[in-house]
This record gives sequence, structure tokens and C-alpha cells, in this order.
Amino acid sequence: NAGVTQTPKFQVLKTGQSMTLQCAQDMNHNSMYWYRQDPGMGLRLIYYSASEGTTDKGEVPNGYNVSRLNKREFSLRLESAAPSQTSVYFCASSAPGFGETQYFGPGTRLLVL
Amino acid sequence: DQQVKQNSPSLSVQEGRISILNCDYTNSMFDYFLWYKKYPAEGPTFLISISSIKDKNEDGRFTVFLNKSAKHLSLHIVPSQPGDSAVYFCAASARQGAQKLVFGQGTRLTINP
Repeated sequence: NAGVTQTPKFQVLKTGQSMTLQCAQDMNHNSMYWYRQDPGMGLRLIYYSASEGTTDKGEVPNGYNVSRLNKREFSLRLESAAPSQTSVYFCASSAPGFGETQYFGPGTRLLVL
Repeated sequence: DQQVKQNSPSLSVQEGRISILNCDYTNSMFDYFLWYKKYPAEGPTFLISISSIKDKNEDGRFTVFLNKSAKHLSLHIVPSQPGDSAVYFCAASARQGAQKLVFGQGTRLTINP
């Protein structure tokens, strides 16, 4: 029972490099989310996907792109990494409908030098 | 513009005593509130929630209180146990918000033996 999985766990990038963070869920959830967590800021929504084939911007989308590859997978891409994108990234998923609990993955720690 | 605020970055409580974590919000459209618990190097896990039609919800040692007029919610943990030591995030969502959660900054709770 894996729940929400994320790869990689940790990554170091140089400014300007690109990378894709992978997320997969096995709970048959329609909705998936990407958050970043920074000290003193809580978790902030980057992008979300209410269902397969749809994506929408959250609070802090600049510098990121997403792909909802299928119902299970939702990836986050940094095209040209910047030091301001140093953060811990969490993927989450939930069943459709208001008030449904979001289940989080273990996170990806990203350091951009 | 922090719509959900946890003004205490940290809280230290003796084992067996009550822990009270507080959260304030500014957006009157929020109508569902949640508490998440987070251990180091793990993703947040759902703890308890409350709808705006209620003013209290209990689940074992955990009780959440909602004061809509004051735009304030609190989480009570009684009795506190060492395993409760973690970072606690409150979060809020609005029915028109398409399941998007807005998180507070978090409060680090330490339970002392």
C-alpha cells in the first residue's frame, strides 16, 4: 500500500539546469497537487490537477510546469532552476469532492546552487 | 497576504498536559478547516477536520474548536504524549476553491517527558 510516492528524494541542481519531479499515487484519486514548503511559509500550492487532462495554477506557479500524464502520475518540471526554488516539494492526491482529505507523499528536497 | 496564520512558531508542553495550538484566518469564504501533522523527513498526514457548520469536532485525544465570528480555530491535544512532538499545520478551503488548501506557517510542538 504505497499511497503517494515521489522521486527523487533529494536533488542538487546548478542554476539554469532543468529537472522533473515525479509523483504517482495508487489510490485511484482524481485530484493531484504540488506544494512547496519553505521555512516560515507553510505549504504553498504550485499547481493542481482536478482530474486527468486538466491542470490549473495555484498560488506560486511561476517557474514551474506540470503534466498530468495519466490518472496515477503528476509531474512537476523546473525548466531553468533558480536558487529561489530551493525548497521541499510535496505531491498530494485526493478523491473528488469538497472536503476530501489530501494524502501527501514523503517529499523531494531540492537544493539549487 | 497570509490568509491562514499560526502566530506561534513553537510550543513546549509537559507530557500528560493539554497542548493548545491556535490558528487564525482572514478569508470569510473558508468553510472547511483541517489540521495536519508532520514529522521530519515525512509528508504531512491528516489529523482532524471541521466544517463551518460545526463548532467542535472530537477524535480521541484530539479536539478542534472553530469560532467563526472570531475567525479562529484551535487544536486541543489531551493528554499530550511524546509521540505528539511534530510540526502542526492548520489549513482551510472554500467550497468555490476547487479543493485548494491554504496552509498556515506551522507550529512546532515539543512534548517534554
